Amino acid sequence: GENVEQHPSTLSVQEGDSAVIKCTYSDSASNYFPWYKQELGKRPQLIIDIRSNVGEKKDQRIAVTLNKTAKHFSLHITETQPEDSAVYFCAASMTGANNLFFGTGTRLTVIP
Amino acid sequence: DVKVTQSSRYLVKRTGEKVFLECVQDMDHENMFWYRQDPGLGLRLIYFSYDVKMKEKGDIPEGYSVSREKKERFSLILESASTNQTSMYLCASALAGGHTDTQYFGPGTRLTVL
Repeated sequence: GENVEQHPSTLSVQEGDSAVIKCTYSDSASNYFPWYKQELGKRPQLIIDIRSNVGEKKDQRIAVTLNKTAKHFSLHITETQPEDSAVYFCAASMTGANNLFFGTGTRLTVIP
Repeated sequence: DVKVTQSSRYLVKRTGEKVFLECVQDMDHENMFWYRQDPGLGLRLIYFSYDVKMKEKGDIPEGYSVSREKKERFSLILESASTNQTSMYLCASALAGGHTDTQYFGPGTRLTVL
């Protein structure tokens, strides 16, 4: 089955700096890559996703890039703010699958 | 607005007890999922269901069973709870339109087995 690896496991940045979280996947059939954000004590929520026919997608301060050849995708957060502090999970899925394969999560701390 | 609820936020049980965790969604979603979340291990899929009375094993089904008698409700059952099942349990639901459908999560149940 699919194996998704996520790095780093923890990340601390100064407010205003950028943060990058990277994920790799093993199954070349995977073609959908969502990112979920889980704030402390709350449920995970989808923040952005990308499909394999697109190399990059942006939504305000958040962007995701995908390199299908290398089988990796990344989340970029620019101008970080304290409210960006959370655990971020990447995931992968493929046509015909009902479920997502999640990475192990990255705890991002934005230092004011 | 999708609403996924779980029966308890916190639960304390003793080893050997039978435990029921309930999940209800109000958006007529076909797919429902049970995950457990442990530090450093992320979200691991226990079971999912794609229709009433249908279920599929996830990555870590051992020690668990599930029940889906109604479309809106998906139950996780620990037949005989053990201490290594102490964890945060998250339920999620999604449409059955395809693998790109957003999963909506419940608030989680933190289960402690003594």
